[in-house]
Amino acid sequence: AQTVTQSQPEMSVQEAETVTLSCTYDTSENNYYLFWYKQPPSRQMILVIRQEAYKQQNATENRFSVNFQKAAKSFSLKISDSQLGDTAMYFCALMWKPLQGAQKLVFGQGTRLTINP
Amino acid sequence: DARVTQTPRHKVTEMGQEVTMRCQPILGHNTVFWYRQTMMQGLELLAYFRNRAPLDDSGMPKDRFSAEMPDATLATLKIQPSEPRDSAVYFCASGLGLSQSNQPQHFGDGTRLSIL
Repeated sequence: AQTVTQSQPEMSVQEAETVTLSCTYDTSENNYYLFWYKQPPSRQMILVIRQEAYKQQNATENRFSVNFQKAAKSFSLKISDSQLGDTAMYFCALMWKPLQGAQKLVFGQGTRLTINP
Repeated sequence: DARVTQTPRHKVTEMGQEVTMRCQPILGHNTVFWYRQTMMQGLELLAYFRNRAPLDDSGMPKDRFSAEMPDATLATLKIQPSEPRDSAVYFCASGLGLSQSNQPQHFGDGTRLSIL
């Protein structure tokens, strides 16, 4: 079974600081993808960043970057120069394709991040 | 930007009533997913469709829940009869299946359901 674990239920930092959110996962699949989704109070699920497991290079999207450690099955998200608008729940997610059917996505429990002014 | 559209945004009803939630996937997406989000369980996959055919609904309580996709532009999730434990936010997501295996799912804004 595929599982995703986020061990930090809540985090809080000051604006402009850098923050790292942790995520570990477990899968027996060889081909899979990892995502970070952001859910602000508006409840939208917004894709932040994605990583293909076969790629060694860590993905980067502006202020967001990941530290992907495949052997350790770790996929942390780093937010640099944090902004008030980054306040949200952040979900780590694992996607794979079963033999039958379409890609499936499993989520971690989420980390509530608060950026303080 | 293309978006997944869900209606209604909020629904409050009494226990025992039928609830229907609707989803319009992004045009051209051939997979549709229904998720339920609660504080206790987080995000759970209920069911998903590819090319309008149900592929997996193992996460869905069969006795009261049903999911259909009458056409490519509409997916529905029904609860009959509803119970207080069904109170949650229900998300619909759509994506490009199989050959586009690295494509993420795009989520709607969810329906917040409260069963009294």
